[in-house]
Amino acid sequence: QKEVEQDPGPLSVPEGAIVSLNCTYSNSAFQYFMWYRQYSRKGPELLMYTYSSGNKEDGRFTAQVDKSSKYISLFIRDSQPSDSATYLCATPSNTGKLIFGQGTTLQVKP
Amino acid sequence: KAGVTQTPRYLIKTRGQQVTLSCSPISGHRSVSWYQQTPGQGLQFLFEYFSETQRNKGNFPGRFSGRQFSNSRSEMNVSTLELGDSALYLCASRPPGQSTGELFFGEGSRLTVL
Repeated sequence: QKEVEQDPGPLSVPEGAIVSLNCTYSNSAFQYFMWYRQYSRKGPELLMYTYSSGNKEDGRFTAQVDKSSKYISLFIRDSQPSDSATYLCATPSNTGKLIFGQGTTLQVKP
Repeated sequence: KAGVTQTPRYLIKTRGQQVTLSCSPISGHRSVSWYQQTPGQGLQFLFEYFSETQRNKGNFPGRFSGRQFSNSRSEMNVSTLELGDSALYLCASRPPGQSTGELFFGEGSRLTVL
């Protein structure tokens, strides 16, 4: 079992839709979580960073962590074609390396 | 401020050859990590260097090695290439004092092994 699981998709939605991207993790010791966005032929870029359970909002993006169920989510409101990318969840291990989910490919159609 | 720079961007090698990839971190960043990205396995940690010392190593065979120079630039080397080494190799640097999760990635070096 992978330490961080993520449905690779692809996920296709119409412009303006609310998008929900999800990951599960296996180790309850994981303390904080990140979402990275990766455009085609580019490296990942940090999108959001959450330390604890609950929600964190940044513009159209909301990151949610539920530690009781080991579930993390990223919601995108009013999705735009420019949001089309691969979204990766990640968490640091106790040895300091980042553990990534497989990544979910999102396409927002105009 | 320039981002993380990786060279070469694309390269093609044959089985049995070796390859060296280079990474220049963002100015002032002393921590450099390397990741391998493939469609099947996703992003997997290779190693991390800080001040010329390897601090962490992932679960890759000894054919994968790296080093960091005094100016924080880093190189990784893969010897005796195998078809399965075809991947996007990503380098990332981290600002001083920032947590492990806050990485700045380069655009990667895409290696194809024939």
